[in-house]
Amino acid sequence: GAGVSQTPSNKVTEKGKYVELRCDPISGHTALYWYRQSLGQGPEFLIYFQGTGAADDSGLPNDRFFAVRPEGSVSTLKIQRTERGDSAVYLCASSPNTGLAGTGETQYFGPGTRLLVL
Amino acid sequence: AQSVAQPEDQVNVAEGNPLTVKCTYSVSGNPYLFWYVQYPNRGLQFLLKYITGDNLVKGSYGFEAEFNKSQTSFHLKKPSALVSDSALYFCAVRKSFGNEKLTFGTGTRLTIIP
Repeated sequence: GAGVSQTPSNKVTEKGKYVELRCDPISGHTALYWYRQSLGQGPEFLIYFQGTGAADDSGLPNDRFFAVRPEGSVSTLKIQRTERGDSAVYLCASSPNTGLAGTGETQYFGPGTRLLVL
Repeated sequence: AQSVAQPEDQVNVAEGNPLTVKCTYSVSGNPYLFWYVQYPNRGLQFLLKYITGDNLVKGSYGFEAEFNKSQTSFHLKKPSALVSDSALYFCAVRKSFGNEKLTFGTGTRLTIIP
């Protein structure tokens, strides 16, 4: 079946501009996560949705970053007034989150959006 | 706070030899542990996980990992390496309940030498 998809695959923008990154999770997955991966580093958690609500946004670096998931499926990560330091690969993941041990914990990742802020 | 350490940035192994990629973790309570692999310009692919039960878990592509609670380790292993195993490997941990976020290590680049 279809995996997690992310668009665009690459985004180049200028400092100060606004960008939106989109994530389509695996059908039926209730949990959705955003991570950011800088060059040479492991992914770092940004925000986690359970359904439509943000269950944990503790990883968002500042108030320029915001994410929504209005219908509990597709999510959009929004970055205002982009800075060069925002350049990274933004990864989205989803999981079924059944709450049953051994079944719902695996997060499945999309290919990422590579953001470059000039 | 939870954390993961992958002490080796780079591991080189001859094709056909056994391989080990090391991972240690820190988390309060019981851990859920994961290994992911990343190929160039691709997302993370799930390899295997430890949730509960048998300390030795088997995953995709012949990989396995052993959970060692006393040493807080979850090393990735494979008995016979293939050139196609060359990639970037990430270990990750999360709590067994509550906060869902994964905390990743910095990754280990595995190179299999023909």
